[in-house]
Amino acid sequence: DADVTQTPRNRITKTGKRIMLECSQTKGHDRMYWYRQDPGLGLRLIYYSFDVKDINKGEISDGYSVSRQAQAKFSLSLESAIPNQTALYFCATSDPGQPNQPQHFGDGTRLSIL
Amino acid sequence: RKEVEQDPGPFNVPEGATVAFNCTYSNSASQSFFWYRQDCRKEPKLLMSVYSSGNEDGRFTAQLNRASQYISLLIRDSKLSDSATYLCVGNTGGFKTIFGAGTRLFVKA
Repeated sequence: DADVTQTPRNRITKTGKRIMLECSQTKGHDRMYWYRQDPGLGLRLIYYSFDVKDINKGEISDGYSVSRQAQAKFSLSLESAIPNQTALYFCATSDPGQPNQPQHFGDGTRLSIL
Repeated sequence: RKEVEQDPGPFNVPEGATVAFNCTYSNSASQSFFWYRQDCRKEPKLLMSVYSSGNEDGRFTAQLNRASQYISLLIRDSKLSDSATYLCVGNTGGFKTIFGAGTRLFVKA
């Protein structure tokens, strides 16, 4: 089984709909992240959480919200989806530590907003 | 200017060739670096961590030059299975992880 699991894997929906993407992990990592990936732009950070009580905005948080329900679960919501939120979304986890530890990614969610 | 910049390629090389990618970073506070491999429509997977001047793992060698602020990845004896996009990643500590847009590599028979 995957250490970082994202659901759904693919989703097509309409403008204005509320969508939730879910992420769960079995790695026991405290830190969790949500990214989106668009062609030619690389991965951009939406939100990150260093523990259950710690939620922070990333570089492109507008139009998104998150919930850290437990150490193992981190959900991303689009309250009212718009077409330019069509992208590939990744959840990632990492361990705190020095030196900085790499991030481990889920399989991704391909989201299309019509 | 992007904080982490890579040549997008694509690099087209024959099997057995040696290929090198460079990545430059603008934030001198960056502490650690990583190379990830990403196959089409798949998640990025860690290839190598680069904490000091360099790292070697089999056919792959990563080097870090802090004075010039660049990281390189060298792939020797390229295989067809090396075809992928290679992401350069810099981390300044805490949450500040910046991903490059990636360099595409095609290895052909």
